[in-house]
Amino acid sequence: GAVVSQHPSWVICKSGTSVKIECRSLDFQATTMFWYRQFPKQSLMLMATSNEGSKATYEQGVEKDKFLINHASLTLSTLTVTSAHPEDSSFYICSASRSVANTGELFFGEGSRLTVL
Amino acid sequence: LAKTTQPISMDSYEGQEVNITCSHNNIATNDYITWYQQFPSQGPRFIIQGYKTKVTNEVASLFIPADRKSSTLSLPRVSLSDTAVYYCLVGAGSSNTGKLIFGQGTTLQVKP
Repeated sequence: GAVVSQHPSWVICKSGTSVKIECRSLDFQATTMFWYRQFPKQSLMLMATSNEGSKATYEQGVEKDKFLINHASLTLSTLTVTSAHPEDSSFYICSASRSVANTGELFFGEGSRLTVL
Repeated sequence: LAKTTQPISMDSYEGQEVNITCSHNNIATNDYITWYQQFPSQGPRFIIQGYKTKVTNEVASLFIPADRKSSTLSLPRVSLSDTAVYYCLVGAGSSNTGKLIFGQGTTLQVKP
């Protein structure tokens, strides 16, 4: 199956600093990637849709200035959590679709666990 | 996007067949039904996808009735390693970008 890789898999940072998480599609090109966050024992919450070469589309309630998304190439999208605070601590997961027909088959990264002290 | 409803949790024993049903009454004509499996601290993993009738692969079967308002994921002879959260998702289709919204999922606990 298609491979989507995230880096780092876990990160600990101090409050007020910014953290960048990378999402790469290793063996296919993805014009669209999605970013989710997941709190313990909860489902995944869609944060934004990342479109190659254009601005990301954010879900309602997600601060676009807080969570900066860049999709500069067909294989890489980045999520930057700016001025992180303890409440931003979460599991961040990206996904990408390689299906031309857009059937909804998504391939997910391994996730990145962010802990803000 | 169609909303999905699944049982919050299910228990089973090793070797049994497990059927998880998902309701999606507002499914659109071009929507596909996709099931994912998630282990703790990992990203979801694709299990199976279908549009109508029955789909089978090496790990599961997916049954979809004619009205497509529900679907059932069938896991044959589960093992302890099948303990996970299972999500039913409906959406995408050729007319949009593939955006999928996760529901609460079903936590399956397989006991020895």
